[in-house]
Amino acid sequence: NAGVTQTPKFQVLKTGQSMTLQCAQDMNHEYMSWYRQDPGMGLRLIHYSVGAGITDQGEVPNGYNVSRSTTEDFPLRLLSAAPSQTSVYFCASREWKESTDTQYFGPGTRLTVL
Amino acid sequence: LAKTTQPISMDSYEGQEVNITCSHNNIATNDYITWYQQFPSQGPRFIIQGYKTKVTNEVASLFIPADRKSSTLSLPRVSLSDTAVYYCLGSQIGGKLIFGQGTELSVKP
Repeated sequence: NAGVTQTPKFQVLKTGQSMTLQCAQDMNHEYMSWYRQDPGMGLRLIHYSVGAGITDQGEVPNGYNVSRSTTEDFPLRLLSAAPSQTSVYFCASREWKESTDTQYFGPGTRLTVL
Repeated sequence: LAKTTQPISMDSYEGQEVNITCSHNNIATNDYITWYQQFPSQGPRFIIQGYKTKVTNEVASLFIPADRKSSTLSLPRVSLSDTAVYYCLGSQIGGKLIFGQGTELSVKP
């Protein structure tokens, strides 16, 4: 199993540009999330999905869109990038059943908005 | 949204036992208490999880009192490689998994 993969690893955007951060998991987990982490800070939840076709907002959803057309993929779209969106973005997949509740995180995407 | 509360930072020396306590007052009856470890430039990774009493694995122990409003992560005989940020996750809020600020553990030689 590859686990959770994210692409790209690094990205530089100009203000106003749009882009999509890709996230995929091969563990057949229904629940997936996107977090952002600013320097020296904890993780903040952007959006999450409890299954294909179902998404919901987290703590800081403004400026981001998500969709979940398949169980495996959960892309995050930046509509019009702003310098305040400079951050490291982590995607997570959640194994949630009676005996365990564990999130598996991807390696992250470092985004810089100029 | 209610979050967990942990000390912002802790210092320790190699070979010591480190205990990090987390407060999660709003934990729901059926929620697990989970601890994650994060190294710089990496995503968090699962360390240990429990529901009540004590859980031990090859990495750490987790102590949970009967009221489940707090938990303590115990790292035996820490080494330099245990320097990381440790997060506890104690409660879902409407299905959302919200992280707190975490505890930055610095292990010195």
